[in-house]
Amino acid sequence: DAGITQSPRHKVTETGTPVTLRCHQTENHRYMYWYRQDPGHGLRLIHYSYGVKDTDKGEVSDGYSVSRSKTEDFLLTLESATSSQTSVYFCAISELRTQSGNGYTFGSGTRLTVV
Amino acid sequence: QKEVEQDPGPLSVPEGAIVSLNCTYSNSAFQYFMWYRQYSRKGPELLMYTYSSGNKEDGRFTAQVDKSSKYISLFIRDSQPSDSATYLCASPRKAGGTSYGKLTFGQGTILTVHP
Repeated sequence: DAGITQSPRHKVTETGTPVTLRCHQTENHRYMYWYRQDPGHGLRLIHYSYGVKDTDKGEVSDGYSVSRSKTEDFLLTLESATSSQTSVYFCAISELRTQSGNGYTFGSGTRLTVV
Repeated sequence: QKEVEQDPGPLSVPEGAIVSLNCTYSNSAFQYFMWYRQYSRKGPELLMYTYSSGNKEDGRFTAQVDKSSKYISLFIRDSQPSDSATYLCASPRKAGGTSYGKLTFGQGTILTVHP
């Protein structure tokens, strides 16, 4: 997807290990988001950022932390991976012009398996 | 109860059929509604965007919102095999007077259009 890159694309990790997923954007958008996608649940917000060093929790934030030290990078860390965190993780960016929540641009996703 | 509910399907139709995809929502504060299309192993992409009640048309796609019944629909005319994807409805979540662009998604409906 143009302007937004997620890495890695695939990862298998062991239970109890820390894992960091990276989202990098070249669009200079202010807002960045991490979602996870699971069958039957759709996309659920983990954390979001509304500026450098400004982050907040979403609806499924337990076990996750984030950091944003630069406009272009938003990192998601699983502090101690569990099997319930096996999922597809999507990063999204947005440049809101109104309070309407204009559409996102999503990355291609990271498929994470915790064994 | 999820704030946005969507029948996950799967939905299978022949090429050329009219497809109707539907969501219901429970939060009366929702005013803006979006439809995303997601191809297999890809990130979602914004398809349609509507405000309040009424219809919006874009080529073969029509988005419809009925605020009185809290019902959102996406119609696809002359469906094509290339329309085979997961379709997700979404609306911005509001908290403290601003949504920061946070979206609440339905579970997604898997659509297959057979040649």
